[in-house]
Amino acid sequence: KQEVTQIPAALSVPEGENLVLNCSFTDSAIYNLQWFRQDPGKGLTSLLLIQSSQREQTSGRLNASLDKSSGRSTLYIAASQPGDSATYLCAVFGDNNDMRFGAGTRLTVKP
Amino acid sequence: DTGVSQNPRHKITKRGQNVTFRCDPISEHNRLYWYRQTLGQGPEFLTYFQNEAQLEKSRLLSDRFSAERPKGSFSTLEIQRTEQGDSAMYLCASSLGYGTSAYEQYFGPGTRLTVT
Repeated sequence: KQEVTQIPAALSVPEGENLVLNCSFTDSAIYNLQWFRQDPGKGLTSLLLIQSSQREQTSGRLNASLDKSSGRSTLYIAASQPGDSATYLCAVFGDNNDMRFGAGTRLTVKP
Repeated sequence: DTGVSQNPRHKITKRGQNVTFRCDPISEHNRLYWYRQTLGQGPEFLTYFQNEAQLEKSRLLSDRFSAERPKGSFSTLEIQRTEQGDSAMYLCASSLGYGTSAYEQYFGPGTRLTVT
């Protein structure tokens, strides 16, 4: 059974700092890995999707990497802003056609 | 298209009552997924549809839960004889189901269920 772990569970940084969120998964047989943002009480917003054949994806200040063989992904956020404060979730989609999520990293960016 | 929509956004019900939620996916998406999320946890997969066919169900989906997608468009999730443990956010997502972005999922805003 696929297990997804996100470290740290919570992170607080001052505005402007670069930061890295970590995601690990136990079964490397995945189709893709997707990073989401979730604001309190809201649904999920897709940030980046990395196909299993890819190593990284970039969107603006966000960069996500994937090392499938070691079961790891990172989400790098450059020049963090208070508006980046949210919970960040990573999820892997496997050949069971279901998506497994980590518990998330709750990010607070202080002005 | 405005994305995935879900109704109602909030539902408060008494234990033992039945509730039904609706999800309208992005129009050209033929895959539709249901998830449940409790406080402080990531979403947990419940079930998914490929067009009108329900192809996968999690063991979390007890006999009191039923989902339908009658014409391959919108979907409903019904919970019968609700229990306090059913209190959660119910999320719906859709994906194209084919092509290079086949499995990229787009989520709705969720339905928050509170069972009293």
